[in-house]
Amino acid sequence: GEDVEQSLFLSVREGDSSVINCTYTDSSSTYLYWYKQEPGAGLQLLTYIFSNMDMKQDQRLTVLLNKKDKHLSLRIADTQTGDSAIYFCAERGSGGGADGLTFGKGTHLIIQP
Amino acid sequence: GAVVSQHPSRVICKSGTSVKIECRSLDFQATTMFWYRQFPKQSLMLMATSNEGSKATYEQGVEKDKFLINHASLTLSTLTVTSAHPEDSSFYICSARVGTGSETQYFGPGTRLLVL
Repeated sequence: GEDVEQSLFLSVREGDSSVINCTYTDSSSTYLYWYKQEPGAGLQLLTYIFSNMDMKQDQRLTVLLNKKDKHLSLRIADTQTGDSAIYFCAERGSGGGADGLTFGKGTHLIIQP
Repeated sequence: GAVVSQHPSRVICKSGTSVKIECRSLDFQATTMFWYRQFPKQSLMLMATSNEGSKATYEQGVEKDKFLINHASLTLSTLTVTSAHPEDSSFYICSARVGTGSETQYFGPGTRLLVL
């Protein structure tokens, strides 16, 4: 089946930029997503990018997509303690039967003071 | 953004009993809802896709007779775990999508099920 991979942990200092990386295998992915999950809470959609885009910026968040390498990244500028959470990369295929999302295992972002 | 609720948020039940989990879209109509399962320290795994008024489509390896899904209206889908066993203990999360062409799925807060 299709696969989404991401590092399990990332530690950054408060105020620095965080870059969370993700790779995927489905070449027919149409949309790629970043979700945030805080302890005890549900998933919060942060941003998404259509597969024909290279970059999308939304305030402190920048998403870069390299479709050739099937690599997606999320950059969080000026990382704050409130950004501490698990960040999930997810992709949506090109349709057909069930077109739910395929998720990575999540990257736990740890903020050092 | 759109709001999706789940009820209950936590449930503890005895082995062999059935548990029903509700997923509601509060401020929009959801043509399609999805049910996911998340084991500790694992990713979300899609269980099934639920379309209003039709039978759910289950992912490979998910028993449709054990996980009954009903999507009777555009704002409500239910997942019933029948004859639950300890290995069914997990975090069950639903999501809802507006229309067939929408690119965004809004997730509920999840339901933590513990089967003793």
